[in-house]
Amino acid sequence: ILNVEQSPQSLHVQEGDSTNFTCSFPSSNFYALHWYRWETAKSPEALFVMTLNGDEKKKGRISATLNTKEGYSYLYIKGSQPEDSATYLCAFIRVTGNTPLVFGKGTRLSVIA
Amino acid sequence: EAQVTQNPRYLITVTGKKLTVTCSQNMNHEYMSWYRQDPGLGLRQIYYSMNVEATDKGDVPEGYKVSRKEKRNFPLILESPSPNQTSLYFCASSINGLAGASYNEQFFGPGTRLTVL
Repeated sequence: ILNVEQSPQSLHVQEGDSTNFTCSFPSSNFYALHWYRWETAKSPEALFVMTLNGDEKKKGRISATLNTKEGYSYLYIKGSQPEDSATYLCAFIRVTGNTPLVFGKGTRLSVIA
Repeated sequence: EAQVTQNPRYLITVTGKKLTVTCSQNMNHEYMSWYRQDPGLGLRQIYYSMNVEATDKGDVPEGYKVSRKEKRNFPLILESPSPNQTSLYFCASSINGLAGASYNEQFFGPGTRLTVL
């Protein structure tokens, strides 16, 4: 069974705090990792597609890094704002196998003003 | 506007009554996929399609059927719905796929909340 773990499950931070969370995945047969942002009552929206070991991507105050050798990706949010409150999902894509695409359960972030 | 649409958005039905949830995308994407989202379980893939007439099972295909006769449409069919299929369903598409998964970012539809009594 393919396991994609996200930690922490939930997080409460004060406005202005910086925060980060983790997506762990199997390091073998890696093809790509996606990060999505999912606001309540909306659909998931793509943040990053990461493919290379050492990849770093940035979009505004949000950035992500990727380590395929050890099987983890970090998502960072600098200076959190209330509008950053959402669930952040990662999706692991591998080259072979019966379950080529697996989502983690997400990290639910609440930013308190 | 580039988008993925799903219909209906909400549906309450009874056990055994066949239903279809439609999904359509206007981005000429090759890859389409259906997911269900249940509390504590995250998004799980039901079926996916790499292109027209090419569909395959995801993690949880039991009780579902799909078809891909045209590039833009990917309906999800529940022949005999049961209460354990009560869930929030998302359709998604991306430019293309590889090895059964979306290599590029996926665009999600608005979701369909299904309740089976």
